[in-house]
Amino acid sequence: GAVVSQHPSRVICKSGTSVKIECRSLDFQATTMFWYRQFPKQSLMLMATSNEGSKATYEQGVEKDKFLINHASLTLSTLTVTSAHPEDSSFYICSAGPLAGGPNTQYFGPGTRLTVL
Amino acid sequence: QKEVEQNSGPLSVPEGAIASLNCTYSDRGSQSFFWYRQYSGKSPELIMSIYSNGDKEDGRFTAQLNKASQYVSLLIRDSQPSDSATYLCAVRWGNNRLAFGKGNQVVVIP
Repeated sequence: GAVVSQHPSRVICKSGTSVKIECRSLDFQATTMFWYRQFPKQSLMLMATSNEGSKATYEQGVEKDKFLINHASLTLSTLTVTSAHPEDSSFYICSAGPLAGGPNTQYFGPGTRLTVL
Repeated sequence: QKEVEQNSGPLSVPEGAIASLNCTYSDRGSQSFFWYRQYSGKSPELIMSIYSNGDKEDGRFTAQLNKASQYVSLLIRDSQPSDSATYLCAVRWGNNRLAFGKGNQVVVIP
């Protein structure tokens, strides 16, 4: 149980285009999901907390108008990178949890590698 | 975000030896601590969680927590080549957010 999926796993796009990444909790409901970004040889940096039915909470320094988050259902959160540029190329990872009554931990999706040309 | 420090460089250990990883954190109020393993190009997977001072053992892994010193460590006994990965220390804070350290790369030499 507690499986989180992401789609797509890899995307290459041209500079200036927008890219949408989906994060799904497959076997549980997630009122809260988290979006992270990881640059090569760096650690995971939390970008935002996605709250079902309400606005996302962004970490300091993350542009909310550039990284649009929608959490319209208890099993799906989306991250849209608008007007992507080469510096947005990174590994984007979502997580969900903890589960109600379960271990106090987050479950990570497999990640989406974004390359902006 | 809160600070989580993992300052050691890559760690090479012979197969069968013990790998020791250290982590310090800045928020004295933190109560939940995690070690994740991340293989190259993959997302992190949870190895251990620890919430109380002392040791917690799970198979070949032992996590140690000292809240007074704001220090958490991970020992990997009988290291195997499959343990070669980057190990990330994470600390939970405010509304279940996680702050991660930069990670320690472990290379187990057969």
